[in-house]
Amino acid sequence: AQRVTQPEKLLSVFKGAPVELKCNYSYSGSPELFWYVQYSRQRLQLLLRHISRESIKGFTADLNKGETSFHLKKPFAQEEDSAMYYCALMTGAQKLVFGQGTRLTINP
Amino acid sequence: GAVVSQHPSWVICKSGTSVKIECRSLDFQATTMFWYRQFPKQSLMLMATSNEGSKATYEQGVEKDKFLINHASLTLSTLTVTSAHPEDSSFYICSAPDRGSSPDTQYFGPGTRLTVL
Repeated sequence: AQRVTQPEKLLSVFKGAPVELKCNYSYSGSPELFWYVQYSRQRLQLLLRHISRESIKGFTADLNKGETSFHLKKPFAQEEDSAMYYCALMTGAQKLVFGQGTRLTINP
Repeated sequence: GAVVSQHPSWVICKSGTSVKIECRSLDFQATTMFWYRQFPKQSLMLMATSNEGSKATYEQGVEKDKFLINHASLTLSTLTVTSAHPEDSSFYICSAPDRGSSPDTQYFGPGTRLTVL
């Protein structure tokens, strides 16, 4: 079965501290993974995808097929990073399976 | 980047009535659009895939007669919640890939909050 698990519903860190949002997946095919972010009162938007191996707003995520993980990391959190973060797996026909989401709060 | 709009942004209706929600791609053509449902403090659940010029494909457990989808043009998909009941109250979100620029990137609408009294 295809599934995305984000074990932390809430995550709170201080500004300047490192951040790691966990994501694990279950998928029999070759996984294509994404992180989406939703800032307050805004729509869901793409943060990054594993295929492009890019860094957006200081965030990176590495696909670890052995551990079936795609954790999102940032070395120094900023207050504007406070948002809801969703890990998503693309299955056949471009369908997205979302994790439960993690609400990240950056404390000043 | 590509923009997807939804209308209305919120709607309140009486039980038993039908409600239509529109999803438009504003600056690109979308042969495929996706409809999601999000309950409070929960994740997005894919309901159906809207295909331009053909029938929508529904996810398991989603009643096609309850949630009618029409994708009549390359920029518009509509979701009609028929004979709505309070349990249909939810946040409905659509998305579309812009195949012209980034085929695997979904662009999301702002969502429509439906409240059925």
